[in-house]
Amino acid sequence: NAGVTQTPKFQVLKTGQSMTLQCAQDMNHNSMYWYRQDPGMGLRLIYYSASEGTTDKGEVPNGYNVSRLNKREFSLRLESAAPSQTSVYFCASKRMGRGADTQYFGPGTRLTVL
Amino acid sequence: QKEVEQDPGPLSVPEGAIVSLNCTYSNSAFQYFMWYRQYSRKGPELLMYTYSSGNKEDGRFTAQVDKSSKYISLFIRDSQPSDSATYLCAMEGAGANSKLTFGKGITLSVRP
Repeated sequence: NAGVTQTPKFQVLKTGQSMTLQCAQDMNHNSMYWYRQDPGMGLRLIYYSASEGTTDKGEVPNGYNVSRLNKREFSLRLESAAPSQTSVYFCASKRMGRGADTQYFGPGTRLTVL
Repeated sequence: QKEVEQDPGPLSVPEGAIVSLNCTYSNSAFQYFMWYRQYSRKGPELLMYTYSSGNKEDGRFTAQVDKSSKYISLFIRDSQPSDSATYLCAMEGAGANSKLTFGKGITLSVRP
């Protein structure tokens, strides 16, 4: 099993450009998450999908949209990138939404917005 | 007050030292307590997982949860250079759509 995979690994954008970060998991998990990690800020939840067909906002959703394409895939879109969105983005998945299960993380996407 | 507070560090110790990492929290609904380890330029990986109060030991690692004090700890015995990483505490409630709340993480360096 590959676990959680993310593409691309690195990306540089200019202010105002758009892009989509892709995430896929092969563990048959129901719940998927997008986080951003900034120095001194820890991991902050952007959006999550408790199950296929549902999405909800997390702590820092402004400037982002998500799509749960199917059970395996959960994408994050930046419609008009801003320098404040320079960060490392992590996708994660979990078997169920309840706390009893482990959340597995992907390797991250390093995004720089100039 | 942040829901989860973690000493920012960084922390540097000599090889073989006992390391103590701590987090405090304010939300009494938290039931599941975790420690994630994150190596440089990698994603976090689950290191220890504890439900409710008590201790859990796994090799050189011991996780403690004191719900009455809203305080959790991770102890690393006989620390090794390979333990050098960022350690994040995380916790969540028992609800159907519970979400992890993370501490900011502390970077540990173990000197050979």
